[in-house]
Amino acid sequence: GENVEQHPSTLSVQEGDSAVIKCTYSDSASNYFPWYKQELGKRPQLIIDIRSNVGEKKDQRIAVTLNKTAKHFSLHITETQPEDSAVYFCAATPSGRLIFGQGTELSVKP
Amino acid sequence: GAVVSQHPSWVICKSGTSVKIECRSLDFQATTMFWYRQFPKQSLMLMATSNEGSKATYEQGVEKDKFLINHASLTLSTLTVTSAHPEDSSFYICSATHGTSGTYEQYFGPGTRLTVT
Repeated sequence: GENVEQHPSTLSVQEGDSAVIKCTYSDSASNYFPWYKQELGKRPQLIIDIRSNVGEKKDQRIAVTLNKTAKHFSLHITETQPEDSAVYFCAATPSGRLIFGQGTELSVKP
Repeated sequence: GAVVSQHPSWVICKSGTSVKIECRSLDFQATTMFWYRQFPKQSLMLMATSNEGSKATYEQGVEKDKFLINHASLTLSTLTVTSAHPEDSSFYICSATHGTSGTYEQYFGPGTRLTVT
């Protein structure tokens, strides 16, 4: 199969706390794993991505880790801010196509 | 750079009619374009992959005769929803990439909200 499973579906944190979203994929041939942030009615925005030859990547408050053996990858947001509130999607690339996870609605409470 | 536009941004049509949505890469040549559909509070579902000058590759369960895709140039792909029905009402989003597959960064259009009455 070519599933991408994402958890949790909703996540509520206090401002300043960390948020972690996890995804698993089924196709071991996937080699590109982007994460997107989508606000209501808007296009997805790429926030960070990682390729299969790298185990971890960080960009300021955002980091992604990849475990190819276990076929899972995670998004870590530190020092969350209210403007981080949005829906986040992970994606994998089985057979060269971008397949999205189900999404996580992140709410950061001030 | 890497700007993708869509037109129209929203459209309302009557059941049984057809509607065309355009996706343009404004500042780069898009070897490959993708079409997605997103229902409220759901994820983006890939409908088809489109390469310039060749037939689109549709995902399983997507009717190619209902969702006609044309990728006539390196900057334009169109999606025509034929004989639209209320269940086709959705948010349609295209993306474009320099590369030949989805393993290259994709640049998304702003989406088209289709309402079929």
